[in-house]
Amino acid sequence: GENVEQHPSTLSVQEGDSAVIKCTYSDSASNYFPWYKQELGKGPQLIIDIRSNVGEKKDQRIAVTLNKTAKHFSLHITETQPEDSAVYFCAAIRTGTASKLTFGTGTRLQVTL
Amino acid sequence: NAGVTQTPKFQVLKTGQSMTLQCAQDMNHEYMSWYRQDPGMGLRLIHYSVGAGITDQGEVPNGYNVSRSTTEDFPLRLLSAAPSQTSVYFCASSPGGLPDTQYFGPGTRLTVL
Repeated sequence: GENVEQHPSTLSVQEGDSAVIKCTYSDSASNYFPWYKQELGKGPQLIIDIRSNVGEKKDQRIAVTLNKTAKHFSLHITETQPEDSAVYFCAAIRTGTASKLTFGTGTRLQVTL
Repeated sequence: NAGVTQTPKFQVLKTGQSMTLQCAQDMNHEYMSWYRQDPGMGLRLIHYSVGAGITDQGEVPNGYNVSRSTTEDFPLRLLSAAPSQTSVYFCASSPGGLPDTQYFGPGTRLTVL
């Protein structure tokens, strides 16, 4: 089955700096890669996703890149703000055939003033 | 839409007690799932359902039962609670009977003494 590794497990950046979280996956057939943000005491929320037919996707200050050859994808947050502090999870799935979404183990991002 | 709702928010049980965690969604999603979240282990799938009347096991199903009599509801039953089941439980739903884009509930924090 699919295996997703996520690094780093914790990340501290100063407000205004950029943050990058990286994930690798094992199943070359995986073709959908969502990212979730989990704030303290809440459930994870989808913030951005990418499909295997594109290499990059942006939404305001966040972007995701995908390298299918290397089987890794990354979340980039620019101009970080205190409200970006949360735990971020990556995930991977082969749509249409897989019965479950495989999650990474999460990255705790702390944005300091 | 209320989205995905879970009750209760907090629960304390004694070893051997049974209880049901409730999950409901009002988005007419066919796919529903239960995860547990433990420190450093990310989200682990307990059970899932691709539609009313259909359920299947995830990664960590032992000690838990589910049923799906309606599209809206997907309760999780703990048969005989054990301290190892102390965790935060999340219910999620996804449209189209596929697990790709999941919407999570707020979670239930369960402590088993």
